[in-house]
Amino acid sequence: NAGVMQNPRHLVRRRGQEARLRCSPMKGHSHVYWYRQLPEEGLKFMVYLQKENIIDESGMPKERFSAEFPKEGPSILRIQQVVRGDSAAYFCASSQAGIYGYTFGSGTRLTVV
Amino acid sequence: GESVGLHLPTLSVQEGDNSIINCAYSNSASDYFIWYKQESGKGPQFIIDIRSNMDKRQGQRVTVLLNKTVKHLSLQIAATQPGDSAVYFCAENMGQDQGAQKLVFGQGTRLTINP
Repeated sequence: NAGVMQNPRHLVRRRGQEARLRCSPMKGHSHVYWYRQLPEEGLKFMVYLQKENIIDESGMPKERFSAEFPKEGPSILRIQQVVRGDSAAYFCASSQAGIYGYTFGSGTRLTVV
Repeated sequence: GESVGLHLPTLSVQEGDNSIINCAYSNSASDYFIWYKQESGKGPQFIIDIRSNMDKRQGQRVTVLLNKTVKHLSLQIAATQPGDSAVYFCAENMGQDQGAQKLVFGQGTRLTINP
């Protein structure tokens, strides 16, 4: 079991470009969660998805950010027209339906220059 | 001792001593709590969890205590080792439905083990 896989591990984007972060959940997990972490801070909830459905996006900024978890393939967190303030570590976690507890991936560290 | 730094509270203990990390949670309706350990450059790693119908749970070298009256959670680590140095986060589940989780994380505490 490979665990939660995130790629890329590091991503550098210029201001105004798009960033795409990918997350493959653990085998058998149908729930995916995205969190953002600024240096020396805790993890902030962004969005919770099940296959083809967004369940809770209360932590997502209203503009430029979107997430999807298609029927086939990984979950994608997309940030359009990145700004310096988007620089952070983005973590994905997954869980099984009806089972408490997340497993986290190793994160994608986004740097906007 | 324990001190508050610019961002993360910090706890320094001697190797071999026991450590206690505290956390206040916000929602009296939260039904599930987890402690995670995060090492530099890595994702959070599950340590131990506890449901709200319990007040204590023990694992290997770790114990979690839950005091619902004052909405307080603590993590006790026995006989600390250098590998215990990390940032520790508590998280509470604010999901509204069984299985619909939404973990909200606390601020975190940096634990440093001194040789």
